[in-house]
Amino acid sequence: NAGVMQNPRHLVRRRGQEARLRCSPMKGHSHVYWYRQLPEEGLKFMVYLQKENIIDESGMPKERFSAEFPKEGPSILRIQQVVRGDSAAYFCASSPQSANTEAFFGQGTRLTVV
Amino acid sequence: AQRVTQPEKLLSVFKGAPVELKCNYSYSGSPELFWYVQYSRQRLQLLLRHISRESIKGFTADLNKGETSFHLKKPFAQEEDSAMYYCALGGGSNYKLTFGKGTLLTVNP
Repeated sequence: NAGVMQNPRHLVRRRGQEARLRCSPMKGHSHVYWYRQLPEEGLKFMVYLQKENIIDESGMPKERFSAEFPKEGPSILRIQQVVRGDSAAYFCASSPQSANTEAFFGQGTRLTVV
Repeated sequence: AQRVTQPEKLLSVFKGAPVELKCNYSYSGSPELFWYVQYSRQRLQLLLRHISRESIKGFTADLNKGETSFHLKKPFAQEEDSAMYYCALGGGSNYKLTFGKGTLLTVNP
């Protein structure tokens, strides 16, 4: 089991472009979580998804950010019209179930907006 | 609101010395506390959780509700313990973790 895979590892975008971050959970895991780590800060919860469902998006900015976890394929975190303040490390985690279960993290995608 | 404070950004000790990484939390309900570790160039991984009350790699952490603390301790630090350590709080549901800013531990030979 290769673990949670995120790609790309590094992503550079110009202001106004779109950023797409991908996350393939561990085999057998149907729960995916996205976290964002701004410079000099701790990880902050963004969104929790199960296959084809958004369960909790209370940590997502209200505009420009969206997430999906389709029936087939990886989970995608999409940021439209990126701004400099979106520069951060974005981490994905997965677990086989939601409660009282260890979540396994990917290595993160470092987004830089220039 | 949930909050996790790790007061030390950097901590440096010598091999064989005791180490304590501090973590204080703020939460009105019944907390679930975790320590995560990130070794150089590796992914974040769970080190231990308070409900397990276990010792992993010689590390222990005790939840002190009176002092709202969950400090991570090891009596004799090893060089391979050098890493970034994050304290995390789960309130009500483990998936919604609140992380501290982390402490970078360096164990010198």
